[in-house]
Amino acid sequence: QVQLVQSGAEVKKPGASVKVSCKASGYTFTSYGISWVRQAPGQGLEWMGWISAYNGNTNYAQKLQGRVTMTTDTSTSTAYMELRSLRSDDTAVYYCARFEERASCYDYWGQGTLVTVSS
Amino acid sequence: QSALTQPASVSGSPGQSITISCTGTSSDVGGYNYVSWYQQHPGKAPKLMIYEVSNRPSGVSNRFSGSKSGNTASLTISGLQAEDEADYYCSSYTSSSTHVVFGGGTKLTVL
Repeated sequence: QVQLVQSGAEVKKPGASVKVSCKASGYTFTSYGISWVRQAPGQGLEWMGWISAYNGNTNYAQKLQGRVTMTTDTSTSTAYMELRSLRSDDTAVYYCARFEERASCYDYWGQGTLVTVSS
Repeated sequence: QSALTQPASVSGSPGQSITISCTGTSSDVGGYNYVSWYQQHPGKAPKLMIYEVSNRPSGVSNRFSGSKSGNTASLTISGLQAEDEADYYCSSYTSSSTHVVFGGGTKLTVL
């Protein structure tokens, strides 16, 4: 069965960086893209970006350009999302999700990783 | 501000039907049949309930149905059950650079 398993919760100080991992199993990793979606406390879903696990092409949300980098390691079927220069409003649960391109939807999601930014 | 507009909340009694709307533009909802709906219980990850406007993934109850008219998509839940109480988000393909946009979410309360 398809599973996306994310790394554990993180606490970071303002200005620091965080790198969240998302290990995929149960399908051919390079056949699907991975998106990252975050959710601030009590708020809705915010699309952060997408990466092709096939060729590494990326597409980032404009508001995060320059602070976010998404990568994949096909040898371990793992996707990564690094966010730099953290601010308090980056405090959120970060989800990875498999993108089903033919239907433009997210058919499987990771369990989420809480990132807390606090001094 | 989210790209797709949803009501903040809806409610219904057990057994009743409710409909959640999702309004976009001709650049997203109205232009493509790639609307999907997600259910999110507190503290849990979103779950795909509807894709391509009206298709249900395997395992999703047939009490959930989707439709679209013009720039507005709708999710209907019939025979409401207590377990349906959750937040619901719509999303759509968009011709903008992000390719996918979300609605702001709707909190469903089962009275």
